[in-house]
Amino acid sequence: AQSVSQHNHHVILSEAASLELGCNYSYGGTVNLFWYVQYPGQHLQLLLKYFSGDPLVKGIKGFEAEFIKSKFSFNLRKPSVQWSDTAEYFCAVNSRNYGQNFVFGPGTRLSVLP
Amino acid sequence: GAGVSQSPRYKVAKRGQDVALRCDPISGHVSLFWYQQALGQGPEFLTYFQNEAQLDKSGLPSDRFFAERPEGSVSTLKIQRTQQEDSAVYLCASSPRPTGLGPSPLHFGNGTRLTVT
Repeated sequence: AQSVSQHNHHVILSEAASLELGCNYSYGGTVNLFWYVQYPGQHLQLLLKYFSGDPLVKGIKGFEAEFIKSKFSFNLRKPSVQWSDTAEYFCAVNSRNYGQNFVFGPGTRLSVLP
Repeated sequence: GAGVSQSPRYKVAKRGQDVALRCDPISGHVSLFWYQQALGQGPEFLTYFQNEAQLDKSGLPSDRFFAERPEGSVSTLKIQRTQQEDSAVYLCASSPRPTGLGPSPLHFGNGTRLTVT
């Protein structure tokens, strides 16, 4: 079955540290890739998306992600995290070849210490 | 409204009761999804509507779960004879286009937290 994995369950960083959250998927063929963020008490919000073109995509709040097709990966990065980045981060994949739904990873909780 | 609206925000049901969860998608959005999110997990797909047509219900965990979107806008997820394992957050998401017509991100509601006692 198609699946999405996220390498880290819980990441703890100090402010100004660099962030990289891993995401791997098991789909073949053409995929659409997303990172969503869920701040405490809020709904899931889109951080960034990749559909085609430049594999390095930039999202909101200084986040970026790189699609590496050969590694089936779509890792999320931010050069310098802030306390306000504390949240749960979900990677998601959608592929026309595998039906209508979006498959989400289990999430990574990021805690940024002030 | 500007976003996806779900009601109620919280629902407590006794085991065996039926519940109905409502989703108001963004106006004009064609695609509507229901997801189930257990504590500490990512959202798990339940079902997908394109307008009023339920095109995929492969994620519904049992025949106690039923979803409808009769006029292609508001959707209701119904769970009959609730069990403790149904306790979760139920998320609704909408998207402006049919998924088969090109990629488009999902817009999520705040969810309904269901607790079955």
